Amino acid sequence: GAGVSQSPRYKVAKRGQDVALRCDPISGHVSLFWYQQALGQGPEFLTYFQNEAQLDKSGLPSDRFFAERPEGSVSTLKIQRTQQEDSAVYLCASSLALGGPQHFGDGTRLSIL
Amino acid sequence: QQQVKQSPQSLIVQKGGISIINCAYENTAFDYFPWYQQFPGKGPALLIAIRPDVSEKKEGRFTISFNKSAKQFSLHIMDSQPGDSATYFCAASDTGNQFYFGTGTSLTVIP
Repeated sequence: GAGVSQSPRYKVAKRGQDVALRCDPISGHVSLFWYQQALGQGPEFLTYFQNEAQLDKSGLPSDRFFAERPEGSVSTLKIQRTQQEDSAVYLCASSLALGGPQHFGDGTRLSIL
Repeated sequence: QQQVKQSPQSLIVQKGGISIINCAYENTAFDYFPWYQQFPGKGPALLIAIRPDVSEKKEGRFTISFNKSAKQFSLHIMDSQPGDSATYFCAASDTGNQFYFGTGTSLTVIP
C-alpha cells in the first residue's frame, strides 16, 4: 500500500483480556517501530525491528507486552492481561533503512474498560 | 526523564503570522532532529528534519533553526494558515532507531 496501515483503528477490551494490534509497513521498508502515545503526549518508543529481528525492546513497559515480525513484513503487538493504564494510541512506523525518515500509520486507539 | 523539552504547550497565531516552536535537548549524541505534524485521529507526518552539520534548513514555509552549542532547535512556520492548525512534535535520535519526542505544541491559527 501507499502508507503504513494499522488495524484495528479502535479497540475496546475489558481489563484482563488479551489484545493484538497489527501493522502493515510500507512495502520494502526494512525497519519497523512501535510507539505508545498517551493523550496529550508525544509518542514514546516501545520496540523496533530490522527485518524479522527485534533489535531493541527496551521501551516495552512490562512483560505483558510482546511484539513480533516473523517474516520481516507485517508486525503484531500483543498485550496480555490488559490493564487500564494500557489505554493509549499505539503507533507503528516504518523506514526504508535504519536511520531514515520514519513514516507513521494512523494508529490503533486502545481503550481498556 | 524527558530527553527533549518542547515549548510552548499551546500557541495561537493570527493568519499570516509567524509560528515559532522551540525544543531543547541534553544528549550530545543526538544527530537527527525531525519535526512532525499531527492532526486529530491521524499519525504524525514528517514535516522537515535537520542534522547538526547545518544551522538552518528551509522547505517552503517551514524553517528549522539549529543551535548546536545551545543544544536547541526551533521550527518557524511563516505566513501561518488555518490549515496549519495541528499539534507539532519535535524529536531527536542518535542512532536513527529510537526517536525521543517532545510533548507537543498545539497550534491554532486564527483566520
